Amino acid sequence: DAGVTQSPTHLIKTRGQQVTLRCSPKSGHDTVSWYQQALGQGPQFIFQYYEEEERQRGNFPDRFSGHQFPNYSSELNVNALLLGDSALYLCASSLIGQGRAEAFFGQGTRLTVV
Amino acid sequence: QKEVEQNSGPLSVPEGAIASLNCTYSDRGSQSFFWYRQYSGKSPELIMFIYSNGDKEDGRFTAQLNKASQYVSLLIRDSQPSDSATYLCAVNGGAGGTSYGKLTFGQGTILTVHP
Repeated sequence: DAGVTQSPTHLIKTRGQQVTLRCSPKSGHDTVSWYQQALGQGPQFIFQYYEEEERQRGNFPDRFSGHQFPNYSSELNVNALLLGDSALYLCASSLIGQGRAEAFFGQGTRLTVV
Repeated sequence: QKEVEQNSGPLSVPEGAIASLNCTYSDRGSQSFFWYRQYSGKSPELIMFIYSNGDKEDGRFTAQLNKASQYVSLLIRDSQPSDSATYLCAVNGGAGGTSYGKLTFGQGTILTVHP
């Protein structure tokens, strides 16, 4: 049973560029959430996708957007990258449709903005 | 006041001892609570979750929840050097509410188990 997979694992981008990160949820899960984790901090919730719609959003600007596909996989897009966007981006999958809030994380994408 | 606060670390315990990690939360509507372990450079790994008041045991781990006091803890018995990691407390919003499924994390507590 495949767990949550994310790609790429590492990425270096230049300030002002755009980036797309990808996530495939755990088999059988229907919900994907994205988190940003700065060094030495706990993960911060960006947004959550369920039934191909953004259901919840954290305190992140509109430069952060996403999408969920019919197969439940998801993308996170960040436009106009800032140096402060450098972080570990985590995708978590869960089974919200069954009332299960346990979230399982992928290995993360380490984004460095230079 | 932070939404989820964990006891300040780092916490250092000798091998074989009990490690106690604590967490308080501010949202009384919170329904479920999670402990994650995160090794340096890795992603968080779910090790315990608890939904009801009381204790929940799984191997060497015991999670304790007291909703009246808005307090959740994690005990690690017979601590091993391999338990050395950052432990993250996470709180989920109320079931059926607009925040269900959104996890709010504490800042983490670094645990070191020394031989």
